[in-house]
Amino acid sequence: DTAVSQTPKYLVTQMGNDKSIKCEQNLGHDTMYWYKQDSKKFLKIMFSYNNKELIINETVPNRFSPKSPDKAHLNLHINSLELGDSAVYFCASSPRLQGVEQYFGPGTRLTVT
Amino acid sequence: GENVEQHPSTLSVQEGDSAVIKCTYSDSASNYFPWYKQELGKRPQLIIDIRSNVGEKKDQRIAVTLNKTAKHFSLHITETQPEDSAVYFCAANNFNKFYFGSGTKLNVKP
Repeated sequence: DTAVSQTPKYLVTQMGNDKSIKCEQNLGHDTMYWYKQDSKKFLKIMFSYNNKELIINETVPNRFSPKSPDKAHLNLHINSLELGDSAVYFCASSPRLQGVEQYFGPGTRLTVT
Repeated sequence: GENVEQHPSTLSVQEGDSAVIKCTYSDSASNYFPWYKQELGKRPQLIIDIRSNVGEKKDQRIAVTLNKTAKHFSLHITETQPEDSAVYFCAANNFNKFYFGSGTKLNVKP
C-alpha cells in the first residue's frame, strides 16, 4: 500500500490556469508538508501543517494556497499559474513536527506552457 | 533563518571507493540532521539520520558524523556500488523549521 500518495503524477497546463494537486497519507501522521523541487533539484519547503493547522508558510507567492480538510490530506491549489511554477511538487508526512523522518510522496511534475 | 550548505554538488567515484559529502548549517538550535537519497525520477528517501546529542552513527556502509561546535555534518559511504548513484540531500531541523541542502549528485562508475 502506498503510504503517501499524490494525484496527479503529471500535470501540463497553460499559463494563467488554476490547478490543484492532492495528497493523502495513510500512516496516521500528524504533520504534512509541501515541497517544491526545481530543475536544479533544489528541494525547498513551502508549507507544513500539524493537526490541520498551518505551521510553516515559507516565502511563497499567495497564488499558492494549501488546504487540509483532515489530518490525512493536504491539497495544494495554485492560481494564475506562471512559467516559473514548473517544477516537481512533493508532498510529505511525518509523525510529528520535529526530529523524525519525513515520508515523501511520488511527486507531481507540473509543466506550465 | 537556517542556511544549509552542501558540498560538493557533484561527486564521481570508482566502484569500491569511499564518498564523502559535507554540510554546514547556521542555526545552532538545529538538533536533527537527516540524509535523504533521491534516485532519478523517484522520491527522496531517508537513509540515515543523527541527533545533536550524538557525534557519529553508522549503518552498514553508511555513516554520518556531526560536529556541533563547527556546525557541520558529513555523510560517508564506503565500498560504493553503482546502485549508490543518486542525488543525496542533507537537512537540518529545528522544531518546525526544516531546511535541505542543495544536493550532491553521486556517480559511482563500475
